[in-house]
Amino acid sequence: NAGVTQTPKFRILKIGQSMTLQCTQDMNHNYMYWYRQDPGMGLKLIYYSVGAGITDKGEVPNGYNVSRSTTEDFPLRLELAAPSQTSVYFCASSLLAGDLNEQFFGPGTRLTVL
Amino acid sequence: GNSVTQMEGPVTLSEEAFLTINCTYTATGYPSLFWYVQYPGEGLQLLLKATKADDKGSNKGFEATYRKETTSFHLEKGSVQVSDSAVYFCALITNAGKSTFGDGTTLTVKP
Repeated sequence: NAGVTQTPKFRILKIGQSMTLQCTQDMNHNYMYWYRQDPGMGLKLIYYSVGAGITDKGEVPNGYNVSRSTTEDFPLRLELAAPSQTSVYFCASSLLAGDLNEQFFGPGTRLTVL
Repeated sequence: GNSVTQMEGPVTLSEEAFLTINCTYTATGYPSLFWYVQYPGEGLQLLLKATKADDKGSNKGFEATYRKETTSFHLEKGSVQVSDSAVYFCALITNAGKSTFGDGTTLTVKP
């Protein structure tokens, strides 16, 4: 049981490039989340998904896109990278069933846009 | 929208001191409340949680009580250790699955 895995661990992009951050969970969780964490700051919700085929915006969705074609995978797409997107990105998942509603986090992807 | 406000840090304590990190929230309905901990260079780990009013979450000597009347979920520990040095995040999740995190409080415990 690997939990939540994220790839890549690190990435440097040039302004205007695009990339996809991968997130996979093997816990059969319905809910998945993408956050960004800027230095010294808390987590800001980018997008979340309550199940395959369903996604919704969080606090800071601009400049990002997501899809959820399977229960396991929740990729985050950056289409035109900007320096303001330099951050650490965390993916998380949750069963969200009664008391079993805590989020499990991946190790993060550190992205730098130059 | 929902919000979580945490006590600003950083907080520096001596070993064996008493710890309180304040957390208040604004949300509609009855969210679940959480404390997560982040050690340097790592992701977030669940520390404790409470899913309804008056519940007390506890783990590793830390505890927090869900107070609906004051919309608070303050984190406490009676005697901190150097190994407790980390960033602590208060968070809520609504019944619809939407989450909100506080900005985090950095705790440093000195020997």
